[in-house]
Amino acid sequence: GAVVSQHPSWVICKSGTSVKIECRSLDFQATTMFWYRQFPKQSLMLMATSNEGSKATYEQGVEKDKFLINHASLTLSTLTVTSAHPEDSSFYICSAKWGGRLDGQFFGPGTRLTVL
Amino acid sequence: GQSLEQPSEVTAVEGAIVQINCTYQTSGFYGLSWYQQHDGGAPTFLSYNALDGLEETGRFSSFLSRSDSYGYLLLQELQMKDSASYFCAVRGGDDKIIFGKGTRLHILP
Repeated sequence: GAVVSQHPSWVICKSGTSVKIECRSLDFQATTMFWYRQFPKQSLMLMATSNEGSKATYEQGVEKDKFLINHASLTLSTLTVTSAHPEDSSFYICSAKWGGRLDGQFFGPGTRLTVL
Repeated sequence: GQSLEQPSEVTAVEGAIVQINCTYQTSGFYGLSWYQQHDGGAPTFLSYNALDGLEETGRFSSFLSRSDSYGYLLLQELQMKDSASYFCAVRGGDDKIIFGKGTRLHILP
């Protein structure tokens, strides 16, 4: 079956630094990937839609200059949290669009970001 | 806009049956999904309803009524490992999945 991986699974960084999170579709090509953020005991909030070879589409209220998304290949999308602050600490989850799934997406295992 | 409503918490006894309801308001609708999420983990897909009716997968069943913008997840023969958060989610015409706020299921022995 289709598998989506994320790297790293967790990361701790200092305030003001940038962190890059990778999302890979391991055995299928994904022209579209999605990035979500989840704060403790809250729901998953869609941040942006990442399209291979074009600019990402951000949801209302998400700062595109702070959360840089690059989808350079059909199997890799990256999310870079720039100048991270403690309020950016969250669980970041990606998903890849796949027509073989009823709900149309396969979710990665998530990346836990802690900003000190 | 889009919104999904589901109870914040539900408590049930091991071995019993529990139903988690979800109502939605969306500008576009392709289907209603249900996901399970244990603490610290990613959401895992449980079921998807695109058409009205009941879908059964083992101990879990999901129902959809498009005319009522309503669905539910039914969990039977509850086990302690079913303690988790359950999210309903709507898939829209742009392939985006919008999640509800989640229902925390507590299971008592």
